Amino acid sequence: AQTVTQSQPEMSVQEAETVTLSCTYDTSENNYYLFWYKQPPSRQMILVIRQEAYKQQNATENRFSVNFQKAAKSFSLKISDSQLGDTAMYFCAFILSGTASKLTFGTGTRLQVTL
Amino acid sequence: GAVVSQHPSWVICKSGTSVKIECRSLDFQATTMFWYRQFPKQSLMLMATSNEGSKATYEQGVEKDKFLINHASLTLSTLTVTSAHPEDSSFYICSARPSGRIGEQFFGPGTRLTVL
Repeated sequence: AQTVTQSQPEMSVQEAETVTLSCTYDTSENNYYLFWYKQPPSRQMILVIRQEAYKQQNATENRFSVNFQKAAKSFSLKISDSQLGDTAMYFCAFILSGTASKLTFGTGTRLQVTL
Repeated sequence: GAVVSQHPSWVICKSGTSVKIECRSLDFQATTMFWYRQFPKQSLMLMATSNEGSKATYEQGVEKDKFLINHASLTLSTLTVTSAHPEDSSFYICSARPSGRIGEQFFGPGTRLTVL
């Protein structure tokens, strides 16, 4: 079974600064996808960024980028130029390739962006 | 694109009654939809996977007779909480996977259920 671990329950960052959220996962499979989802106070799950395991290049989406280390099974999220609107719960998630696959979520990291 | 709606967004009901929650993919077809439950300050817990035209697959520990799931079309799945009790109070979230797409799911806004 796959597991996803987020070791930082809460983090805080000042506006305009950079913060990195950690995520590790465990799988014996080779083909999979990794995601970071954001859940703001509205509780709507929003996809932040996605990484295919077969791609060596780290995914980036504007201020959000990942550091994907496949051998170490690590998938951290870096948020640059943090904004107040980034305040949210962030979930790391894993899914195997295949139509029958299900998302496995980490326990989440609560990020607070302060003035 | 890729919008998923849920209705209702919140519901309060009396203990012993049944509540139906709808999940719709508005601009794409979804062969597979998922139902999650989320307790305060916790992660999402997968309850069941529903595939259009077939019976849902429930996760271990989820009572299929308590949480009835129907996926009658490629754009609609429903979750019915039968004979609801206060312990069923929670936030329920659905997600939909576009047909033929691997690794993508789009989430609905969630439904807050309160059972008195």
